[in-house]
Amino acid sequence: QVQLVESGGGVVQPGRSLRLSCIASGFTFNSYAMHWVRQAPGKGLEWVALISYDGSKIFYSDSVKGQFTISRDNSKNTLFLQMNSLTAEDTAVYYCVRSYDTLDYLDYWGQGTLVSVSS
Amino acid sequence: DIQMTQSPSSLSASVGDRLTITCRASQSISRYLNWYQQKPGEAPKVLIYTASSLQSGVPSRFSGRGSGTDFTLTISNLQPEDFATYYCQQSYTSPLTFGPGTRVDIK
Repeated sequence: QVQLVESGGGVVQPGRSLRLSCIASGFTFNSYAMHWVRQAPGKGLEWVALISYDGSKIFYSDSVKGQFTISRDNSKNTLFLQMNSLTAEDTAVYYCVRSYDTLDYLDYWGQGTLVSVSS
Repeated sequence: DIQMTQSPSSLSASVGDRLTITCRASQSISRYLNWYQQKPGEAPKVLIYTASSLQSGVPSRFSGRGSGTDFTLTISNLQPEDFATYYCQQSYTSPLTFGPGTRVDIK
């Protein structure tokens, strides 16, 4: 069955960096686009970034453009999110999510990893 | 960016009720509208994609309609496991955007 397992979250000080990972299994990873979606405590869903199946297309939300970098390693079935210059506004659960195409519905979600930015 | 709005923001309902949630896009998104359900402490899951297609495994009491800018999610014969928050999301263009959510709780 499809599994998406995020890791790398934790407590980090403002201005520092963090790298999230998502290991995928149960499907042909290099055939699917992947996304990061976040949810601040008690708030709604916010799409963060997407990467096409082969890494050739990448899109970001305006709120993280220039600050976050999405990437993937298809040989290791792994998705990444490099987050720099973190602020309190980046505190959220970060979900790794799959879609068949880049602009498509999000059909499988990981359980999320919590990033807390605090001094 | 395409803005998504939902109404109502919350509602109270009883088991067996039929309810409808509305989602509106700030510009036409054709039928590229998806609905998700999220329960507390869980990841969201897709219910409906491209406005009216039922995701595999989702009960048939969930249905979606609409095109252009106006969409609805209807839950007929509300069940106890349906009390959750529902989000619409457009996949017409980047950035993908979600509505603010509609919380459905027990009356």
